[in-house]
Amino acid sequence: QEQLQESGSGLVKPSQTLSLTCSVSGASIGNGDYYWSWIRQNPGTGLEWIGYIYHTGNTDYNPSLRSRATISVETSQNQFSLRLNSVTAADTAVYFCARGPRFYDILTGNGKGNFDLWGRGTLVAVSS
Amino acid sequence: DIQMTQSPSSLSASVGDWAIFTCRASRSIAKNLNWYQHRPGKAPTLLISDTSTLQSGVPSRFSGSRSGTDFTLTISRLQREDVATYFCQQSHSAPYTFGQGSRLEIK
Repeated sequence: QEQLQESGSGLVKPSQTLSLTCSVSGASIGNGDYYWSWIRQNPGTGLEWIGYIYHTGNTDYNPSLRSRATISVETSQNQFSLRLNSVTAADTAVYFCARGPRFYDILTGNGKGNFDLWGRGTLVAVSS
Repeated sequence: DIQMTQSPSSLSASVGDWAIFTCRASRSIAKNLNWYQHRPGKAPTLLISDTSTLQSGVPSRFSGSRSGTDFTLTISRLQREDVATYFCQQSHSAPYTFGQGSRLEIK
């Protein structure tokens, strides 16, 4: 059964770095069929796509977070991770990892970028 | 960024009724609109891609349609298991953006 599971610090102090990992089971990051994304949900701003990574390490980010976010991948562990630096209270959110978009959809630019498998999400609070 | 405006924010209906949710894009996104279901305590799931393509395992009670920049998710013959938040996502133009979500309650 394909599953994604987020893990990491649930409480981060302002100005510090948020760090999360997504563990993938039942699917392989290394087979190259998909990009792998981070998405967050904040009550005030709703759902926000943070960025994605391919197994080669190729990334793309939401311009709103590009200066602070770093996504990395460890294919041998079948995991990918998110680091978000200089956090503020506005970064308090439920963080989801998700599979998608498909490599073919990015390659062809056909506009079909969806997320077909998600983790349950993990709440990260930014507070002193 | 493309703004996605979703309505209503919440809806209460009875078992057997219909539920209709709408997502409006701030500009043309062709048919590049996806719908998700997020049940309480569960991982979100992809229901419909490309406006109207039902994902494997999703009941045929769910359907999607489009009129210009307005997209509709329709759920017929509501069941208690449909209690969830439904949200849309455009994939036409980076960065991907989402609607605010619509909460469905069963009376």
